[in-house]
Amino acid sequence: QVQLQESGPGLVKPSETLSLTCTVSGDSISRYSWGWVRQSPGEALEWIAYIYVGVSAGYNPSLKSRVTISVDTSKSQLSLDFDSMTAADSAMYYCVGRSKLHGGSFDLWGPGTKVAVSS
Amino acid sequence: QSVLTQSPSTSGTPGQRITISCSGSSSNIGRNFVYWYQQLPGRAPKLLIHSNDERPAGVPDRFSGSKSGTSASLAISGLRSEDEADYYCASWDDSLKDVYIFGSGTKVTV
Repeated sequence: QVQLQESGPGLVKPSETLSLTCTVSGDSISRYSWGWVRQSPGEALEWIAYIYVGVSAGYNPSLKSRVTISVDTSKSQLSLDFDSMTAADSAMYYCVGRSKLHGGSFDLWGPGTKVAVSS
Repeated sequence: QSVLTQSPSTSGTPGQRITISCSGSSSNIGRNFVYWYQQLPGRAPKLLIHSNDERPAGVPDRFSGSKSGTSASLAISGLRSEDEADYYCASWDDSLKDVYIFGSGTKVTV
């Protein structure tokens, strides 16, 4: 069974870059495509980015200029770099995976890592 | 602001049947699958419905999905207290090259 676990700093200062990591266990990371989703307190889910390992990446147009998604297959890790953080970026950040079992949906979710932006 | 529109909230009593709607457009729901997620309080979302009306293994048949044109619905029959959660629809959108979009979410109170 595939398991996802996010890790991150918890707190970043305004204007800094947020770096998050998701460690994948239970199967080869190369067999899936991956993404990141966030949720601000009391708000809806917001898709950030996805990556097809070794193929391509796609970004939410409203965030594209600030975000980079990548995969390190040797470490079985997914990463997200998010530039120029502001208070509006405070949210729970989820690592998500897309198997080939459920019609193209992101069907694998990590428990999430909470990020606060404050000086 | 979400591209997929859902009513903010709905409620029901135990045993009732309720429906949640999700309205989109020709570039998303109109030409792609609809997915539904359940988010229990303080938890990560869980896939409830995929491919418009298919349930992943382990999801009770009390949950059912449907799609017509540019709209979709999630029905919960035999409502239980443990169904109290936020529900989100989702779909791929072709207008900006494969963007995965979520609905605005519906809070279900039992």
